[in-house]
Amino acid sequence: NAGVTQTPKFRILKIGQSMTLQCAQDMNHNYMYWYRQDPGMGLKLIYYSVGAGITDKGEVPNGYNVSRSTTEDFPLRLELAAPSQTSVYFCASSRNRVGETQYFGPGTRLLVL
Amino acid sequence: DQQVKQNSPSLSVQEGRISILNCDYTNSMFDYFLWYKKYPAEGPTFLISISSIKDKNEDGRFTVFLNKSAKHLSLHIVPSQPGDSAVYFCAASFSGNTGKLIFGQGTTLQVKP
Repeated sequence: NAGVTQTPKFRILKIGQSMTLQCAQDMNHNYMYWYRQDPGMGLKLIYYSVGAGITDKGEVPNGYNVSRSTTEDFPLRLELAAPSQTSVYFCASSRNRVGETQYFGPGTRLLVL
Repeated sequence: DQQVKQNSPSLSVQEGRISILNCDYTNSMFDYFLWYKKYPAEGPTFLISISSIKDKNEDGRFTVFLNKSAKHLSLHIVPSQPGDSAVYFCAASFSGNTGKLIFGQGTTLQVKP
C-alpha cells in the first residue's frame, strides 16, 4: 500500500495562475480531507468528502474547489492564486468518521509570488 | 476563535526524562481527542487518541490524560528518546462532525541526547 500520495511536492505559482493539487489513496477510504498549514499554525480544514460525488466546505474554503469522482482521488483546485495561499497542503483520508484515524500524505509546498 | 490551543510552542527535555505536552480546548461538544506527530517535510502521523468517556489511555511510552472539567489534555512520553523530536499536534473532534478535526498550533519537542 502506498497510503496517501500527493503531487507535486513543491510548486511556485505566479499571482493569478491556477493549478490542481493531486491526492490519491489506495486504502479504499470513504472520507478524504484537504488541510493547509501556515507557519507556526495548526492544520486548517479546506474541504472534505464523505464519498464519491459528495464534498463540503471546511473552515477555509475560499479560493479553492474540489471534486471527488472516484473513491481514490480527491484533487484540490486553486483558481487565481494569491500570496495568501502560500502554505503547505496536506491531504488525508480515513475509513469512517469520528474515532477513525486520519492518514496523511507527505504534503505539497506551494509558494505564490 | 481558537477552539484547540497548545500554548507552549516548544519544549526541550533530556533523553530518558519525561516529556509533557499540553493542550486546552474550549468546545465542550468535543468527544474525541487525538495526538499527531510530525517530522519535517512529512505529513502528520497518528500517535494516540482518547475518547471523552475515558480519562487516560496508554500505548507503550505514550500516555494521554483527559481532564474534562478543566477542558485540558496532556501527552506524556516516558522515557523520552531523541527520535521523539518532532512537532506534536493536538486535535479534537465530535460526533456527527463527519470526522473533521480541529487542530492546535503544535508544540515542537526537542529531546537532547
